[in-house]
Amino acid sequence: ETGVTQSPTHLIKTRGQQVTLRCSSQSGHNTVSWYQQALGQGPQFIFQYYREEENGRGNFPPRFSGLQFPNYSSELNVNALELDDSALYLCASSAGLVTGELFFGEGSRLTVL
Amino acid sequence: QQQVKQSPQSLIVQKGGISIINCAYENTAFDYFPWYQQFPGKGPALLIAIRPDVSEKKEGRFTISFNKSAKQFSLHIMDSQPGDSATYFCAASRGNYGGATNKLIFGTGTLLAVQP
Repeated sequence: ETGVTQSPTHLIKTRGQQVTLRCSSQSGHNTVSWYQQALGQGPQFIFQYYREEENGRGNFPPRFSGLQFPNYSSELNVNALELDDSALYLCASSAGLVTGELFFGEGSRLTVL
Repeated sequence: QQQVKQSPQSLIVQKGGISIINCAYENTAFDYFPWYQQFPGKGPALLIAIRPDVSEKKEGRFTISFNKSAKQFSLHIMDSQPGDSATYFCAASRGNYGGATNKLIFGTGTLLAVQP
C-alpha cells in the first residue's frame, strides 16, 4: 500500500512568483485535504477536494487554489507569493468525507524570499 | 480565531514518567478529537482518537481522557520513552453533516522531550 507522497520536498521562490505543489493520495482514498503549517504552529486547513470538486475551504485568499484529478491526485497552486506563505504544506488523504483518520504526507517546505 | 487551545507548549519528562498534554475547545459541534504525533521532517501521524460518547480511550501506553461538560480533553502517555520525543497536536472536527467537511482544527502543538 503506497502512502501519501508529495513533491517537491523543498523549494525556494521569490515574492510575487507562483508555485505548484503536488500530492498523490493513498491508494483507495478519494478525498484530499491541504494544510499549511507555519514554523512552530499547528497545521491550518486550506481546502479539501472530493471527487474532483472543492468541498470546503479555510480562511485563505483566492490566490490559493487547487485541483483534484480523476486518479485522486491533487495540486495546490499559490499565486503572487508573499513572505508569509513560507511554510510546510501538507497534503492529507482520507477515504471519503466522514470524519476519520487523515493520512498525511511529509510535506513540501516552501521558502519565499 | 483559535478554536482549540493546547498546553503546555513544551514538556520535559524523565524516562518511565507520565506525559500529560491538555486541550480545550470552544465549538460544541465538534464530535471527533484526535491526537497526532509529528517527528521532525515528517508529516503528522494519527496516534489515537476519541468521540464524545465515551470519557476515556486507551491504546497501549496512550490514553485520551475526555470531559464533555468542561470541553476539555487530554493525552496521557504512560511509561514515557525517549522514542516518544516528538511534537504532539490535538485536533477537533465536526462530523460530515449539513455540508461540513471533515477538516481538522489543530492546536498549536506540544514539544515533548523524554530524557533517558
